[in-house]
Amino acid sequence: QKEVEQNSGPLSVPEGAIASLNCTYSDRGSQSFFWYRQYSGKSPELIMFIYSNGDKEDGRFTAQLNKASQYVSLLIRDSQPSDSATYLCAVNGRSGGSNYKLTFGKGTLLTVNP
Amino acid sequence: DADVTQTPRNRITKTGKRIMLECSQTKGHDRMYWYRQDPGLGLRLIYYSFDVKDINKGEISDGYSVSRQAQAKFSLSLESAIPNQTALYFCATSDPGTTNNEQFFGPGTRLTVL
Repeated sequence: QKEVEQNSGPLSVPEGAIASLNCTYSDRGSQSFFWYRQYSGKSPELIMFIYSNGDKEDGRFTAQLNKASQYVSLLIRDSQPSDSATYLCAVNGRSGGSNYKLTFGKGTLLTVNP
Repeated sequence: DADVTQTPRNRITKTGKRIMLECSQTKGHDRMYWYRQDPGLGLRLIYYSFDVKDINKGEISDGYSVSRQAQAKFSLSLESAIPNQTALYFCATSDPGTTNNEQFFGPGTRLTVL
């Protein structure tokens, strides 16, 4: 059973701070990793993906991947109230049927306080 | 814009009724997915299809069936709705030409079974 674990939160940070969201996964053969943002009542939207160890930066967002530790994180710098949402970690499985399917964590609710 | 659409957006029905949720996409993607989302449980895969002739069960397929009428259309049916099928349902698509399997989500259908 492939699992993706996230802290359920809620995580509350002041405006301008760095928000750190964490995710661990059980399938060591997982190939690629995604962070989706979901506003209440809306559909998930992709904000970052990463498949190589290390950091990947896109504007205020940085995804970090450590395959040895089976750990992926998302840092949001200069957090804004508009970043308040649930963040979903998703993992793409290895080949052989589980490939091309995503397993989602339960999400972490982030609140950025003005 | 290429898009993923779902109809209806909201539906209230009674126990025992047959319900069909429809998904259409103009992205030209071969892969389509149905998820349900419940508070605290994240996104769970119901069924997925990699092309018109391919249908696969996800982790929670009991009580559901699907039909892939065309590359662009993927319908989810509840043959005899029950209250614990009350949830937010999302359709998603992905492009087999990409290596990372990014999924694009429709706006969701909020289903209430009384």
